[in-house]
Amino acid sequence: GESVGLHLPTLSVQEGDNSIINCAYSNSASDYFIWYKQESGKGPQFIIDIRSNMDKRQGQRVTVLLNKTVKHLSLQIAATQPGDSAVYFCAENRGPGNQFYFGTGTSLTVIP
Amino acid sequence: DAGVTQSPTHLIKTRGQQVTLRCSPKSGHDTVSWYQQALGQGPQFIFQYYEEEERQRGNFPDRFSGHQFPNYSSELNVNALLLGDSALYLCASTLAGVKYNSPLHFGNGTRLTVT
Repeated sequence: GESVGLHLPTLSVQEGDNSIINCAYSNSASDYFIWYKQESGKGPQFIIDIRSNMDKRQGQRVTVLLNKTVKHLSLQIAATQPGDSAVYFCAENRGPGNQFYFGTGTSLTVIP
Repeated sequence: DAGVTQSPTHLIKTRGQQVTLRCSPKSGHDTVSWYQQALGQGPQFIFQYYEEEERQRGNFPDRFSGHQFPNYSSELNVNALLLGDSALYLCASTLAGVKYNSPLHFGNGTRLTVT
């Protein structure tokens, strides 16, 4: 099947610590990547995106790193909060058009 | 500004039946994509509609069909339901046109249970 995968299906962190969620992708032609957060009973929520001509992008408390050499994507969350507990997905756009392929997801649990 | 809305939120059907799910895109968006999300899995791309035509399709059988209306809203139809069709069906919309580098905006989905 499509190969956008996550290495760690579950991750538990202490409140206030930094979190790192990893993702591997297989299609070297993919040119656009997005991280989504999905809470129980809701649809995926956009967090941050990055184009293939970049290797780092920062948002509010989040940073995405892209390593095209090894086809690896990571999401870093600074000062993790209980509200960050959710399932996180990476998605790649292989084009043309906005046809995205999603990984299995990583469940992040923040321990108060 | 209304986001993506989907109806119904939950649905229970019997094997062999047909189902129609509905989606209204985010205001200003004209491209609608449908995804199937099985429990514990990531969303899987079904198809995408733009200008009332199916533009892209994932690896789903012809039992899955759709439609887009002039107001950009969309329907997903599934015929001859199987138990394996039980899933969360997500609708997502994007900013004007079929183009690269536009994030998908998702609705909260329709939970379909086939018994």
